[in-house]
Amino acid sequence: RKEVEQDPGPFNVPEGATVAFNCTYSNSASQSFFWYRQDCRKEPKLLMSVYSSGNEDGRFTAQLNRASQYISLLIRDSKLSDSATYLCVVRSWVGTDKLIFGTGTRLQVFP
Amino acid sequence: GAVVSQHPSWVICKSGTSVKIECRSLDFQATTMFWYRQFPKQSLMLMATSNEGSKATYEQGVEKDKFLINHASLTLSTLTVTSAHPEDSSFYICSHEGQNTDTQYFGPGTRLTVL
Repeated sequence: RKEVEQDPGPFNVPEGATVAFNCTYSNSASQSFFWYRQDCRKEPKLLMSVYSSGNEDGRFTAQLNRASQYISLLIRDSKLSDSATYLCVVRSWVGTDKLIFGTGTRLQVFP
Repeated sequence: GAVVSQHPSWVICKSGTSVKIECRSLDFQATTMFWYRQFPKQSLMLMATSNEGSKATYEQGVEKDKFLINHASLTLSTLTVTSAHPEDSSFYICSHEGQNTDTQYFGPGTRLTVL
């Protein structure tokens, strides 16, 4: 089983739609959680950290369920510029303290 | 936020040659830098942790004699892919943590193609 699992998509949605991505992680001792955005052939960029209480940043809302080891990202009012791959990232102690990346969920927003 | 540069941004080389990739932290003194590799449609995988002034720590399955890491200063880490083969073709990305260790600053990546 992968340490961080995501649905690879692609999710094809029209502008203005609401879309949700899910992610599960296997290490119950994981400490920190993030969503990163990666554009094609570019480096990942931090979108937002994910807190147990849930957090919102504009059109983006992230939720964490530690009991189910599940993380989500909700994007409201999708824009064309939201088209990218969204990476679920977990900070875990696996021998050493490191970031574990999911394979990403591809989002394509169309006009 | 911190700025990280990588050079070259892309490189094409013949099988058997060695390729050096530089990672520079432009405005932060990074005692630790991280090297990742990403194959198409796959996740970033940590290859090694580069420590300034000491030996790098390699992840399981990564050959330290093939992927040579040198972190000679607080602003520069280099990764040398020795005797490169086509299966080493990948996207190599470096990063370092900020003052807040939950913040990672990534370089723009180096795309290596080995013919």
